[in-house]
Amino acid sequence: NAGVTQTPKFQVLKTGQSMTLQCAQDMNHEYMSWYRQDPGMGLRLIHYSVGAGITDQGEVPNGYNVSRSTTEDFPLRLLSAAPSQTSVYFCASTPFRGGQSPLHFGNGTRLTVT
Amino acid sequence: AQSVTQLGSHVSVSEGALVLLRCNYSSSVPPYLFWYVQYPNQGLQLLLKYTTGATLVKGINGFEAEFKKSETSFHLTKPSAHMSDAAEYFCAVSETSGSRLTFGEGTQLTVNP
Repeated sequence: NAGVTQTPKFQVLKTGQSMTLQCAQDMNHEYMSWYRQDPGMGLRLIHYSVGAGITDQGEVPNGYNVSRSTTEDFPLRLLSAAPSQTSVYFCASTPFRGGQSPLHFGNGTRLTVT
Repeated sequence: AQSVTQLGSHVSVSEGALVLLRCNYSSSVPPYLFWYVQYPNQGLQLLLKYTTGATLVKGINGFEAEFKKSETSFHLTKPSAHMSDAAEYFCAVSETSGSRLTFGEGTQLTVNP
């Protein structure tokens, strides 16, 4: 059981480039989300999805797009990378919409924007 | 809106000593509370959670936390620290209406031999 898989593990971009961070889960979880982790700021929610075809913004959505065409996949797109988007990105999923179910995290993508 | 405050971004203890990591939250509705641990270059793993029922919650690796509604706190403790406990710890809160988790800033735990 692979759980939540994120690719790539590391990425370096130049300012203005675009890219997609991939996230896939094989647990048939309804809810998926993207967080960014920055030193001293914990994890902040970027976007989330409560099911295929449904997405919504989190705390820090600017500069990022998401889509959810299948239950398994939830890619995060950076439209025009900026140095402020240098961060570690985590994808997470949970089976239920209710708040009591813990999140299952991927191992992260470390992104550097120069 | 919900929020989480973790007191102390860095905590250092000796091996065998008590571990106490502090977490206070604010929430407009009864919350669900979580502690996650992150080892270097890994994602977050669930240590323990409080949803309903008993306010003292036991988790993995000998950790436990107590939900104190009157103090809006959910402090994490372990009676005797082990070197393998060195990691970053995150407190998080979600409201009963949804799965949006709000995290604290994290506490880096160092265990000295």
